[in-house]
Amino acid sequence: GENVEQHPSTLSVQEGDSAVIKCTYSDSASNYFPWYKQELGKGPQLIIDIRSNVGEKKDQRIAVTLNKTAKHFSLHITETQPEDSAVYFCAVKSSNTGKLIFGQGTTLQVKP
Amino acid sequence: GAVVSQHPSWVICKSGTSVKIECRSLDFQATTMFWYRQFPKQSLMLMATSNEGSKATYEQGVEKDKFLINHASLTLSTLTVTSAHPEDSSFYICSATTGHLNQPQHFGDGTRLSIL
Repeated sequence: GENVEQHPSTLSVQEGDSAVIKCTYSDSASNYFPWYKQELGKGPQLIIDIRSNVGEKKDQRIAVTLNKTAKHFSLHITETQPEDSAVYFCAVKSSNTGKLIFGQGTTLQVKP
Repeated sequence: GAVVSQHPSWVICKSGTSVKIECRSLDFQATTMFWYRQFPKQSLMLMATSNEGSKATYEQGVEKDKFLINHASLTLSTLTVTSAHPEDSSFYICSATTGHLNQPQHFGDGTRLSIL
């Protein structure tokens, strides 16, 4: 079946450093890849998404890169701040069902 | 824009009662809404997909008679947990989308359900 693998499961960085989270997927026909940030006790918040017709998208300190050939995409957060601490989920929209398939999540801790 | 409101945010009730959770899209019309369940430190598990005016489609293993979903308008979907028991305690989250190709899903803030 369709699968999304997300790594690492936990990530601890010093404030100001960069953080990178990577996801690999199995459905080569997928063409929509969102990233969500979930703070404790809240619902996931869409922070950036990318469609397969582009290889990179940037929004201030956040960027996503997509390699369709290798079937992986990554979230890059630069100049991390303590408020970036949260759980981050990647997702892939299934080309068969249209549903989002989520990665396992990455707990990011930014130390001040 | 793209705000999804979920209510209540937290509910505690006795075993055997039914609980209704509302999910509203405040500034867009949601052709499709999704209901997820999330256990502590785990990812989101899709329970069902509902399209406005149609019966919900449930994922394998989800009891449709236990989790009743109604999507009667383009801005409101409800999930009713019937005859709730302690094992139904969880974090329930809805999301909504316009249904257009590759438009994002926007999530509510979830409902923490505790069954005593």
